[in-house]
Parts: sequence; C-alpha cells; structure tokens
Amino acid sequence: DQQVKQNSPSLSVQEGRISILNCDYTNSMFDYFLWYKKYPAEGPTFLISISSIKDKNEDGRFTVFLNKSAKHLSLHIVPSQPGDSAVYFCAPHPTSGSARQLTFGSGTQLTVLP
Amino acid sequence: NAGVTQTPKFRILKIGQSMTLQCTQDMNHNYMYWYRQDPGMGLKLIYYSVGAGITDKGEVPNGYNVSRSTTEDFPLRLELAAPSQTSVYFCASSPTGPEAFFGQGTRLTVV
Repeated sequence: DQQVKQNSPSLSVQEGRISILNCDYTNSMFDYFLWYKKYPAEGPTFLISISSIKDKNEDGRFTVFLNKSAKHLSLHIVPSQPGDSAVYFCAPHPTSGSARQLTFGSGTQLTVLP
Repeated sequence: NAGVTQTPKFRILKIGQSMTLQCTQDMNHNYMYWYRQDPGMGLKLIYYSVGAGITDKGEVPNGYNVSRSTTEDFPLRLELAAPSQTSVYFCASSPTGPEAFFGQGTRLTVV
C-alpha cells in the first residue's frame, strides 16, 4: 500500500523552462511535506517544505504547492537549470504522535537539457 | 563540516556473512535514522532512534539490528546477509524531526 506516489519516474525539460514535479499521498495524517534532491552517489539533501496550514511556499526558483483536499503537492522549478538535474523525492511527514519518520515517494529523475 | 559520515562506501558480502555499517554525526542531533534504497524505489526506514539508548523499528527492520550508545553513533548490524539485502543504505540525523541530513550512503552487494 503506497502512501506516497510520484507517478512520473522521469521528466526532461529545456533549460530556462519550468519543471513541475508531482506527488500524491493517501494518508490524511500527513501534515508536513518535504522535498529532497539527490545527486548520483550522494545522499538526499533537503530542498523545501510546506506545512498543511499553507498552500504555497516559495524559496528562490523553487515553489511547492499543496492541495490538501486533493492530497496532492507539486514542486515548481523556474527557471530550470542543468544543475537541477537530479532525483527529487517527495516526503510527507506526520507530526502527530511519538514517531518522527519520513515516508518517501519513489522519486522523479529530472533532466534539464542545455 | 563533517555532518553525517558513513563507512564503508562500498562493500561486497557473501551470503551468510555479517557486517556493521558505521554512522556518526557531529551535529549533536537527537534523531538518527537508517534507510535503504532499492533501485527505482524510494527510501524505506529500517530503524530509527530518538536519543541515546532509545531505538525503534521502522518499516523494514527484519535482518537488521541497531544500537545507540552515544548521541554521535548509530551503527547498523546485518546478521546472516542475504541477497535481498543488496541495496544502498543511508544514515541520517535531524535535530527535531523531518529536515534530516543524510550521509553519502553505503552500497552493499550480497553475493
């Protein structure tokens, strides 16, 4: 039972255009949502997050949108740069309860073409 | 800044052998985690710890053991290695919860 789905395993965009990465979740206990970025042979690094009390969070070229009713979030990268080529993981988190753990999606490989 | 350090980076084990994956962090974080990532999949939590002396199972704990005797160290023990444990293992730490810092990973192959 996949609680977090990233249905696009890969995405290619031209440099300078917008990249949109999508994530769907089923667990209504998730109320904090993170995106991690991973380069080959490195560990994931935290990119951006959003709390369920917001529907948008922006940090430079990166914006995350949350639609709680649809249980859907998306990461927008504008403008996309070749250095953004990496795997992006959606990772929701339930902040209630004693266990603090991330649930990772399967990731989307973004390739930004020069 | 060392952050989260994992050793070794690569290892090949024979079926039935055992080994310990080392993880140490120098950020004084209370929370530490072990994840595994199989090809084309997301990271799955093996074990986690909320402080020295406290550990708990994650989603896929079978075949693994952990200990947390200090804040800095969180070793992962594989007993009786099996081909299904071929994976990339990531250790992570965080101060209060979700925004975790990851090590570079250990690529383990069991043959």
